[in-house]
Amino acid sequence: GAVVSQHPSWVICKSGTSVKIECRSLDFQATTMFWYRQFPKQSLMLMATSNEGSKATYEQGVEKDKFLINHASLTLSTLTVTSAHPEDSSFYICSAPKKSGTNGYTFGSGTRLTVV
Amino acid sequence: GENVEQHPSTLSVQEGDSAVIKCTYSDSASNYFPWYKQELGKGPQLIIDIRSNVGEKKDQRIAVTLNKTAKHFSLHITETQPEDSAVYFCAASIDDYKLSFGAGTTVTVRA
Repeated sequence: GAVVSQHPSWVICKSGTSVKIECRSLDFQATTMFWYRQFPKQSLMLMATSNEGSKATYEQGVEKDKFLINHASLTLSTLTVTSAHPEDSSFYICSAPKKSGTNGYTFGSGTRLTVV
Repeated sequence: GENVEQHPSTLSVQEGDSAVIKCTYSDSASNYFPWYKQELGKGPQLIIDIRSNVGEKKDQRIAVTLNKTAKHFSLHITETQPEDSAVYFCAASIDDYKLSFGAGTTVTVRA
């Protein structure tokens, strides 16, 4: 149980365009979703935390106008990379606490974004 | 905020030998310590976790130990197999909120 489905698994886009990544909780309600970015051979860096029905909280140095996060329902959170540039090319991963309390986290399978 | 340090960055072991990865954390309030295995192009997969009220946990060939006083925790993999080759991340959080990850360890098991 507690599965997060992330789509697309990979995407190639042109510079200046926008890309939307979706994460859906399939069998539980995700009131919180964490969005990470991972550059090659590096660790996962938290970008922002989204909470259903409220504004996302961004980590220091992450541009909220560039990385738009929407968490409009208890089963769907989206990350939109706006006006993408080659330096935005990365692996983006979402994660949600399985349940409130002490059950750990479940991760999406990740999205490989390449901006050309 | 929480700072998690992980060592070594790379680890090469002979098949059948043991592998040990060590992590330290800075925030004494952290109480949840998961370990993840990540294969190329995939999301992290939880392999074992431990909470601060426990000192050791074992699941078949994998074990984790926690020393709250020293603020460090370790992953032990025994009888390593080629399929254990991957990148391993430790992490720490307070009450299952934000996870802070270590830098990762690339484990290579030589056949």
